[in-house]
Amino acid sequence: EVQLVESGGGLVQPGQSLRLSCTSSGFTIGDYIIHWVRQAPGKGLEWVGFIRSKASGGTTEYAASMKGRFTISRDDSKNIAYLEMNSLNTEDSAMYYCARDPVRADGYNFDYWGQGTLVTVSS
Amino acid sequence: DIQMTQSPSSVSASVGDRVTISCRASQGISTRLAWYQQKPGKAPNLLISSASNLQSGVPSRFSGSGSGTDFILTISSLQPEDFATYYCQRANTFPITFGQGTRLEIK
Repeated sequence: EVQLVESGGGLVQPGQSLRLSCTSSGFTIGDYIIHWVRQAPGKGLEWVGFIRSKASGGTTEYAASMKGRFTISRDDSKNIAYLEMNSLNTEDSAMYYCARDPVRADGYNFDYWGQGTLVTVSS
Repeated sequence: DIQMTQSPSSVSASVGDRVTISCRASQGISTRLAWYQQKPGKAPNLLISSASNLQSGVPSRFSGSGSGTDFILTISSLQPEDFATYYCQRANTFPITFGQGTRLEIK
């Protein structure tokens, strides 16, 4: 069974950093694109970025507002993807989801999601 | 960036009703569009990819159509478990963008 489990969320102060983990099971994480998507309380979905599959070089792409502050990486030996977030501000408070992309010809889709981990940025 | 606009932002309907939700892209995206359902406190669930391709396990009362800039999600006969928020998502390239969501409520 395909599963994704996020962890690492919590309460941090503005300006601090946090690293989220996305632990996968039931599939080989290196064979897929892994996305991060966030959702502020009561708001819609916002794409954060993704890391390509190993076969595609494992490179990353980010939403413009997060580029330079957020870094996505992956440890294929542990089947874990990471989202490193720096210089956090209150607008980064959200539920953070990781999601698998089935890498089909029909573009970027998210076929499996984790349950999310909540990040709260507050002084 | 290509913007995705959904309408309506909310809709009230009854069990058994037929409901349609629209999604418009600010530029053409061929059929590279996905639809998701999200229930409170849960992660989104992929319903449809490629504008009209129903995902495995999704009831056949859900259907999608459209290409270019205009897309529609149709629920042919609402069931109690369908009351949720629905999002469209541009799937052709990054940055990936979502519509603002349509909340489907019980009348």
